[in-house]
Amino acid sequence: EPEVTQTPSHQVTQMGQEVILRCVPISNHLYFYWYRQILGQKVEFLVSFYNNEISEKSEIFDDQFSVERPDGSNFTLKIRSTKLEDSAMYFCASKGRQEQYFGPGTRLTVT
Amino acid sequence: LAKTTQPISMDSYEGQEVNITCSHNNIATNDYITWYQQFPSQGPRFIIQGYKTKVTNEVASLFIPADRKSSTLSLPRVSLSDTAVYYCLVGDKDFQKLVFGTGTRLLVSP
Repeated sequence: EPEVTQTPSHQVTQMGQEVILRCVPISNHLYFYWYRQILGQKVEFLVSFYNNEISEKSEIFDDQFSVERPDGSNFTLKIRSTKLEDSAMYFCASKGRQEQYFGPGTRLTVT
Repeated sequence: LAKTTQPISMDSYEGQEVNITCSHNNIATNDYITWYQQFPSQGPRFIIQGYKTKVTNEVASLFIPADRKSSTLSLPRVSLSDTAVYYCLVGDKDFQKLVFGTGTRLLVSP
């Protein structure tokens, strides 16, 4: 069964540093997403991406965040200057005809 | 997006059938009901989606009454590995933005 993959599985960074989280969506999917889940809290939508542009973003997705599909396979989330409150699991998802398929997540720890 | 309400937690034993009910009183005419499952430290996983009456797949069944103001996810003969959080979501069929609530934490014991 095809799957979404994410790297790294765990990223530790210092406050103020830039991080890039990487995702490889399922190959024939056209819609891509990022979600995050702070420990013990709900899964929160960050952004959706289609046809090489953002289609929707949440209030969380401020100017510190950006997404990119640099080539035909990768989908990245960049956080320019990390804050302590950015510590969370970040999930990438992609969608074909019906449901969204989620990746295993990247645990981001900001110290 | 219609608001959903589901029990915070449920307990069951291996081999039992588990039914998790979700209320969505303000569901819109073109909304579908979708259930996701999440294990600790993993991404949510699609279980089933339906619009009305009954939908069944190899994992679960989804029962939706005629008024569509609620739905019930039925897991037949649960095992320990079904211990997870189950989320009920409501939105149009191609909804791009999944809005997760707190879900139902199901604990299956031996």
